[in-house]
Amino acid sequence: NAGVTQTPKFQVLKTGQSMTLQCAQDMNHNSMYWYRQDPGMGLRLIYYSASEGTTDKGEVPNGYNVSRLNKREFSLRLESAAPSQTSVYFCASSEWRQGTDTQYFGPGTRLTVL
Amino acid sequence: AQSVTQLDSQVPVFEEAPVELRCNYSSSVSVYLFWYVQYPNQGLQLLLKYLSGSTLVKGINGFEAEFNKSQTSFHLRKPSVHISDTAEYFCAVSDPNAGGTSYGKLTFGQGTILTVHP
Repeated sequence: NAGVTQTPKFQVLKTGQSMTLQCAQDMNHNSMYWYRQDPGMGLRLIYYSASEGTTDKGEVPNGYNVSRLNKREFSLRLESAAPSQTSVYFCASSEWRQGTDTQYFGPGTRLTVL
Repeated sequence: AQSVTQLDSQVPVFEEAPVELRCNYSSSVSVYLFWYVQYPNQGLQLLLKYLSGSTLVKGINGFEAEFNKSQTSFHLRKPSVHISDTAEYFCAVSDPNAGGTSYGKLTFGQGTILTVHP
């Protein structure tokens, strides 16, 4: 099993450009998450999807949109990138039932917005 | 809303010395607690978790953590560290009683960078 995969690994954008970060998991998990990681701030939740067909805002949703394409895939879109969105983005998945709260993380996407 | 505070942003230590990484959380109700490790340029992987039962939890790579409800703490310890333990460590909390689509959401601390020197 590949676990959680993310593409691309690295990306450089100019201010105002758009892009979509892709995430897929092969563990048949119901829940998927997008985080951003910034130095000294830990991981902050951008959006999450508790199950196929549902999405909810996290702590820092402004400037982002998401799509839960199917049970496996959860994409994150930046419509008009800003320098403040320079960060490392992580996707995660988990099984949504009591006692199995472990989230499994992808390798991350390093995004630089110039 | 829950919050997690990792009391040290950086912890330098010599190889084979013991280490403790401190974590406090805000909630006074039931919580699930986690420690994740992030090696350089990699994603996060689970070290250990507390869901219920024994307050001393053992994880991978010789790490353990103790849940202290009265002090709302979940400190991570290792009796003898190796160079390979150099990484960033994150404490996280979730609410097992969260309803609806909020179930399973994690709140992370700011991270502690552990540097093991030879």
